[in-house]
Amino acid sequence: QITLKESGPALVKPTQTLTLTCTFSGFSLSTSGVGVEWIRQPPGKALEWLALIYWDDDKRYSLSLKSRLTITKDTSVSQVVLRMTNMDPVDTATYYCAHKGARGVADYWGQGTLVTVSS
Amino acid sequence: DIQMTQSPSTLSASVGDRVTITCRASQSISSWLAWYQQKPGKAPNLLIYKASSLQSGVPSRFSGSGSGTEFTLTISSLQPDDFATYYCQQYTTYRTFGQGTKVEIK
Repeated sequence: QITLKESGPALVKPTQTLTLTCTFSGFSLSTSGVGVEWIRQPPGKALEWLALIYWDDDKRYSLSLKSRLTITKDTSVSQVVLRMTNMDPVDTATYYCAHKGARGVADYWGQGTLVTVSS
Repeated sequence: DIQMTQSPSTLSASVGDRVTITCRASQSISSWLAWYQQKPGKAPNLLIYKASSLQSGVPSRFSGSGSGTEFTLTISSLQPDDFATYYCQQYTTYRTFGQGTKVEIK
């Protein structure tokens, strides 16, 4: 049974760096073809894809946010970390992590964590 | 960036209606297209991948079609549980979501 859970601060100040952790179970990020993605959703708005890390440590980032994002993995503790620098109120959103399997898409999602950016 | 455009943005329908949502890509994405359903306060749920493959456990009233730049999601007979927001997503080298289509009760 695949599960994922996001954790991190509920509130960050403008210009700060956000660090989110995705802790997962039921799969290994060492298995060929597997990845973990991050997606966010501002309140009342559409989904926005952020980043993806593959089993072989290959990484993909949203072209519009690439300069602010860093995704890393720690296979030994089944975690993926997303860092986003220079946070702004427009970055207020629910942040989701998701499992990418052999089908190539996000087929299992975490419950999401709401991050508010405010001074 | 590949842009994804969904239409309509909102759709009013009744239980039992056949519903079609369209998604257009700004360039060819072959069949690398997925559809998700999202209900308020919940994470999205994968319905369709590779344009037309039904995810395990998803009712057969959901179907997808298309390739290249034009895709559709069809619900053959709308059920009460289907009132939700639907997103398409291209998953080539990068990923992009459409802006969503809200299916509401007529």
